[in-house]
Amino acid sequence: QAHLVESGGGVVQPGRSLRLSCAASGFTFSHCAMHWVRQAPGKGLEWVAIISYDGTSEFYADSVKGRFTISRDNSKKTLYLQMNSLIPEDTAVYYCARNPYGDYYFDYWGQGTLVTVSS
Amino acid sequence: QSALTQPASASGSPGQSITISCTGTSSDVGGYEYVSWYQHHPGKAPKLMIYDVSSRPSGVSDRFSGSKSGNSASLIIDGLQAEDEADYYCTSYTSSGTWVFGGGTKLTVL
Repeated sequence: QAHLVESGGGVVQPGRSLRLSCAASGFTFSHCAMHWVRQAPGKGLEWVAIISYDGTSEFYADSVKGRFTISRDNSKKTLYLQMNSLIPEDTAVYYCARNPYGDYYFDYWGQGTLVTVSS
Repeated sequence: QSALTQPASASGSPGQSITISCTGTSSDVGGYEYVSWYQHHPGKAPKLMIYDVSSRPSGVSDRFSGSKSGNSASLIIDGLQAEDEADYYCTSYTSSGTWVFGGGTKLTVL
């Protein structure tokens, strides 16, 4: 059974940086693309980014392009999201989610980690 | 990357059937068979209910089904139960290599 655990959330001032982590277990991490999805308070889910199974390809939502970087370390079975130049609109619960190889959906999700951008 | 359009709310009585729509464009919903649906209870991880328009993951009740016509997709829930009360989101792969979610539908079981 796949298991994903996010960490690294917290309160950060506008303009600062934060790195989120997502520890994976229970499946072959290096075989799956991975996503970050967020949910701002009182809002719906918003797709953030995807990284290919081998880390060679990345895509981003327009709202975070140029500020956020998704990466992974397959030897550590860990996914990352480096968030720079944070703005209050980035305040959200951030989820990591697994994308089965060759497919186009999110079959396992973590419980999320809360990021609050506030002065 | 405009969000897919879903009704903000839906409701039904136990035992009834309900349909939640999800409308996009030819660059997302209409262009691919990659629409999926998620059930989200506040404070919990979202749960995959339907993938590839109409496929159901193992363990998901067969009361849930999906379909698509043109640029619109639908989630159908038969025999509504109290436990179905949750937020439901559609999502689609897009021609930009990204994904886009719908705004979400809050389902109330009366």
